[in-house]
Amino acid sequence: GQNIDQPTEMTATEGAIVQINCTYQTSGFNGLFWYQQHAGEAPTFLSYNVLDGLEEKGRFSSFLSRSKGYSYLLLKELQMKDSASYLCAVFDSGYSTLTFGKGTMLLVSP
Amino acid sequence: EPEVTQTPSHQVTQMGQEVILRCVPISNHLYFYWYRQILGQKVEFLVSFYNNEISEKSEIFDDQFSVERPDGSNFTLKIRSTKLEDSAMYFCASCNRDSIYEQYFGPGTRLTVT
Repeated sequence: GQNIDQPTEMTATEGAIVQINCTYQTSGFNGLFWYQQHAGEAPTFLSYNVLDGLEEKGRFSSFLSRSKGYSYLLLKELQMKDSASYLCAVFDSGYSTLTFGKGTMLLVSP
Repeated sequence: EPEVTQTPSHQVTQMGQEVILRCVPISNHLYFYWYRQILGQKVEFLVSFYNNEISEKSEIFDDQFSVERPDGSNFTLKIRSTKLEDSAMYFCASCNRDSIYEQYFGPGTRLTVT
């Protein structure tokens, strides 16, 4: 079966750093994605990891450990506009589909 | 920058009615997807479509659902007889062969079944 876990909510202060964790158990694995979703809007692609290690993209970094079934998204220099839901999703090669977690709602306060 | 578009943005329908949700994927993309998101819940995969046929479908995608690519640009999702529990946001996504893992999502259609 498919199981993706991430915290429901997190809060952080403008300018700070926040790490959002994701653990997964899937029948197949061909990459892990992070998407950002503002309320009432579509998910937008942030990052993709298929090999172990850290991928950096501006203020956002994502880490993957396949042996541990674990990933995190690191957001630096937080801005108010970063308040959104962050979705962890696994690309399951067995099914060629994206399986999403429930998302982590991040609230950035001044 | 090219983007996926969807129409309508909001559809209200009565239970038992048929609805067709429309999507125009990015023009050079070959893989198309429908997802739904019930309010407050996670994004759920419905169906993937490639080379004019369904590649994968989830348990949610039962006989009430169908997809079609009627021409070179549109990709539609039909729900034959809507139920209250079909109320959700429906997202279309597409990607191309070179970046098959990077799906671009449309803005969604909010379907309300009354």
